[in-house]
Amino acid sequence: EAGVTQFPSHSVIEKGQTVTLRCDPISGHDNLYWYRRVMGKEIKFLLHFVKESKQDESGMPNNRFLAERTGGTYSTLKVQPAELEDSGVYFCASSQQWDYPETQYFGPGTRLLVL
Amino acid sequence: GEDVEQSLFLSVREGDSSVINCTYTDSSSTYLYWYKQEPGAGLQLLTYIFSNMDMKQDQRLTVLLNKKDKHLSLRIADTQTGDSAIYFCAERATGGGNKLTFGTGTQLKVEL
Repeated sequence: EAGVTQFPSHSVIEKGQTVTLRCDPISGHDNLYWYRRVMGKEIKFLLHFVKESKQDESGMPNNRFLAERTGGTYSTLKVQPAELEDSGVYFCASSQQWDYPETQYFGPGTRLLVL
Repeated sequence: GEDVEQSLFLSVREGDSSVINCTYTDSSSTYLYWYKQEPGAGLQLLTYIFSNMDMKQDQRLTVLLNKKDKHLSLRIADTQTGDSAIYFCAERATGGGNKLTFGTGTQLKVEL
């Protein structure tokens, strides 16, 4: 069974540009999460989808970040315009809706560097 | 509020035991998790413990939970070079939805 995949693995952009990150969850997982780790700090929750609906977006830092999950399969996270402080590793995770206890399976992350 | 803290670095010799510590502040935590991140890889779930348990053992891993002091530890017996990685503790709190709150991670270095 394929795990959670993320694309691209690395991205280097200039301040003010737009970047779109993609996450493909494990097949059949209704829950999809985005997290972010800024250099050397803790991993912070960004948002949670259940199928195509945003269940919790309390961790989204500001309106420059837009997450979508049309069709309830893969998800994209767009940053527009990117700022220096957006640099970090963006992780995606997925889990089954009725898993107990819930186990979130993480992808390898996208390393974003904003210059 | 939720806050999870870990020490940043730990260095041990191969064959010794490693103990990675974590403190948390949210007393409503239901599950506490340990994840491992190897270089260039994602987070791998190692083990978890339910908040009404004191201890959980899984092969070389022992998790201890002191709920009164809000202290969680991960002991790795007979530490090997392949155990070198960053270890994150995480909590899932009641009323917090499904989100996990992570610590800063502890970089474990295993020396020969």
